[in-house]
Amino acid sequence: GAGVSQSPSNKVTEKGKDVELRCDPISGHTALYWYRQRLGQGLEFLIYFQGNSAPDKSGLPSDRFSAERTGESVSTLTIQRTQQEDSAVYLCASSLKRGSTGELFFGEGSRLTVL
Amino acid sequence: GNSVTQMEGPVTLSEEAFLTINCTYTATGYPSLFWYVQYPGEGLQLLLKATKADDKGSNKGFEATYRKETTSFHLEKGSVQVSDSAVYFCALSDRAGNTPLVFGKGTRLSVIA
Repeated sequence: GAGVSQSPSNKVTEKGKDVELRCDPISGHTALYWYRQRLGQGLEFLIYFQGNSAPDKSGLPSDRFSAERTGESVSTLTIQRTQQEDSAVYLCASSLKRGSTGELFFGEGSRLTVL
Repeated sequence: GNSVTQMEGPVTLSEEAFLTINCTYTATGYPSLFWYVQYPGEGLQLLLKATKADDKGSNKGFEATYRKETTSFHLEKGSVQVSDSAVYFCALSDRAGNTPLVFGKGTRLSVIA
């Protein structure tokens, strides 16, 4: 597609349930990022994929969070046993490659509400 | 570690007013600096950037100058329009691209006619 696509746009779940969030990056973009934005907070880095290299997982807040990406295509962020503090907008971005001058292209985000 | 601090909003201005959104940073070395904008109902998009000291990034009437001596990258526009209403994020990355983009908390701007 023309831009980064994320689904679902909104997800309401009960505490303790698992959720999966999907990101479809721009075709040809080798780098893919997941960020989290809690209400009133800045963007918090979660995880980064670059081609076939090992992902940078340094931002994942706990072992309940995991993400996968197959090649240079779709990525899935999974949150197990969700907690209320997981409520946030989860943003996906892609870029041609990692680098200080590289522009990130963001999706509209998946808003997660944990009751 | 690297961090970005930007002025808290919300900021409300009348059309044609002058805009300044302050941004200061802490970083090792010489980072690249960015302003991203998020219009209502849309994803974040790059507004402008500067990759070295004294560079000025500009786009859509917005400007920001990379000031190494004050570690700042303030966003300015001489005459805002209603269509500029959005959330603005200041961000930085290290020059080598070895760290992910670090964002400020965002500043919401509302421009009223």
